[in-house]
Amino acid sequence: GDQVEQSPSALSLHEGTGSALRCNFTTTMRAVQWFQQNSRGSLINLFYLASGTKENGRLKSTFNSKESYSTLHIRDAQLEDSGTYFCAAFNTGNYKYVFGAGTRLKVIA
Amino acid sequence: AQTIHQWPVAEIKAVGSPLSLGCTIKGKSSPNLYWYWQATGGTLQQLFYSITVGQVESVVQLNLSASRPKDDQFILSTEKLLLSHSGFYLCAWSLVGVEQYFGPGTRLTVL
Repeated sequence: GDQVEQSPSALSLHEGTGSALRCNFTTTMRAVQWFQQNSRGSLINLFYLASGTKENGRLKSTFNSKESYSTLHIRDAQLEDSGTYFCAAFNTGNYKYVFGAGTRLKVIA
Repeated sequence: AQTIHQWPVAEIKAVGSPLSLGCTIKGKSSPNLYWYWQATGGTLQQLFYSITVGQVESVVQLNLSASRPKDDQFILSTEKLLLSHSGFYLCAWSLVGVEQYFGPGTRLTVL
């Protein structure tokens, strides 16, 4: 079945630094979403992409459907960025969404 | 504005007891609805989806069932809980081919 490989599984960043998260897809996906899950369990929508690149503040995401991957870049990390980040991909029309395993991000002062 | 409400916020139940979790979406007509389960420290697993009232499709069999009695309501239930049902249950909605929005979730502990 469809699979999503997310990396890294865990990441520690000092405040003010940045890094990238990546999701690789084993089949062609039509779109991808990125979420941040906070300590209460709430899923916060970060990006939805059917193609290309989107930027929002210190976050930027790219989806390359031909090469089957998506990335989420975080720059100038802040303490409130800590949490678990998930990518989720789907093929339009079959209503099935597949989530990556998540990246546990800890931002340290 | 669309709002998504889940109830209860948390439940502690005994093995073998019944369960009913609810989800209501306001402010959106005929949304696609989804149930997800998340084990502690794990990822989200899609359980069911529904594109219209009265129709529910199963994605993963976990001895659970779902129903959509109204356009804005999605119910997850079982007659006999297992220990493995413990976790975090999330409801979500979307329009066709567009991004999903999640509810606040219900935390279930089965003892």
